[in-house]
Amino acid sequence: AQTVTQSQPEMSVQEAETVTLSCTYDTSESNYYLFWYKQPPSRQMILVIRQEAYKQQNATENRFSVNFQKAAKSFSLKISDSQLGDTAMYFCAFWGSARQLTFGSGTQLTVLP
Amino acid sequence: EPEVTQTPSHQVTQMGQEVILRCVPISNHLYFYWYRQILGQKVEFLVSFYNNEISEKSEIFDDQFSVERPDGSNFTLKIRSTKLEDSAMYFCASSEALSSVQHFGDGTRLSIL
Repeated sequence: AQTVTQSQPEMSVQEAETVTLSCTYDTSESNYYLFWYKQPPSRQMILVIRQEAYKQQNATENRFSVNFQKAAKSFSLKISDSQLGDTAMYFCAFWGSARQLTFGSGTQLTVLP
Repeated sequence: EPEVTQTPSHQVTQMGQEVILRCVPISNHLYFYWYRQILGQKVEFLVSFYNNEISEKSEIFDDQFSVERPDGSNFTLKIRSTKLEDSAMYFCASSEALSSVQHFGDGTRLSIL
């Protein structure tokens, strides 16, 4: 079974600074998808960014980008120019042949004014 | 932007009682999912549903659980005889296609007394 590990339960960053959230996963599959979801205090999980494993290019979505290292099974999220609204729980997730999202334990990010 | 909606936001039920959690997926989506998150733990997959039948289910989704799409808009999760350990946040999600991005609702907090 796939596992997803987020080793940073909590992180904080100053407003306008850059922060990187870590995620590693374990799989024997070669084709899969990786996601970062954000869960603000309002509770709804919102997609931040998605990466297809067969694409070598790292996904980017405005201030959010990933560093996808397939051989190392690493999928970190970089948030540039952090904003107060980025304060949330961030979940890394894996989708593969089991056809179900497997989530990490989450990283609580706090952006400080 | 279309959203997944879940009702109620909070449900309190006596142990042993039946409970039904309701979800209205995004209208053009074909795949529906339930996840749960016990307080302080990871988000866990329960079940996926497509074409009026279960596609995948996890070990958690035992005979006490059932899902249904009673009409063209609602997607429900029923727990027949609730246990204390069923207390959790339950999230509904939907997607256009199998590997498409899943859109989540706000969740229902289920408290079993």
